Amino acid sequence: GENVEQHPSTLSVQEGDSAVIKCTYSDSASNYFPWYKQELGKRPQLIIDIRSNVGEKKDQRIAVTLNKTAKHFSLHITETQPEDSAVYFCAAILTGNQFYFGTGTSLTVIP
Amino acid sequence: DTAVSQTPKYLVTQMGNDKSIKCEQNLGHDTMYWYKQDSKKFLKIMFSYNNKELIINETVPNRFSPKSPDKAHLNLHINSLELGDSAVYFCASSHGTGLAKNIQYFGAGTRLSVL
Repeated sequence: GENVEQHPSTLSVQEGDSAVIKCTYSDSASNYFPWYKQELGKRPQLIIDIRSNVGEKKDQRIAVTLNKTAKHFSLHITETQPEDSAVYFCAAILTGNQFYFGTGTSLTVIP
Repeated sequence: DTAVSQTPKYLVTQMGNDKSIKCEQNLGHDTMYWYKQDSKKFLKIMFSYNNKELIINETVPNRFSPKSPDKAHLNLHINSLELGDSAVYFCASSHGTGLAKNIQYFGAGTRLSVL
């Protein structure tokens, strides 16, 4: 199966600064890499995703990059705001519906 | 109106009891899942069903048995509850086909506390 590692486990940044969360995966057959945001006491929700045929994708203040050769992908949040505070999960999906989530990163944005 | 709904939201029970969590989705999705999120927030897939058929069964004790009466429902039954079963259980669904096939929509979660 797949093994997804996520770093860091906790991250604190000042409001307005950037935040970067990194994930590595083990199975080169993984072809879809979503990022989910889970606010305290809420359900995980998809914020951005990238497929294996794309190297970078951006949506306003968030972006994801994928390096297939190195088997790692990263989430970048620019101009962070207090409402960005949450737990972020990366995931790697093998063919079919085999989801493997990373261990999560608790992001705190300090006003 | 909720896309993926699960009940109950909270479940407090004694060790050794049997309990069920229900999940329903009104999105017309083909695939449904159960996840367990422990106290460290680690989100681990337990089961996946596609059109009522089991397609993923991760290493989960036999005490956990999913049941899918139709593709809009995936219930989770747990026998002989143990302290270590305490966690938040999330149901999710996805299309299963097409470009959006992997996007997962989660329910609000069921917080299970075993005393």
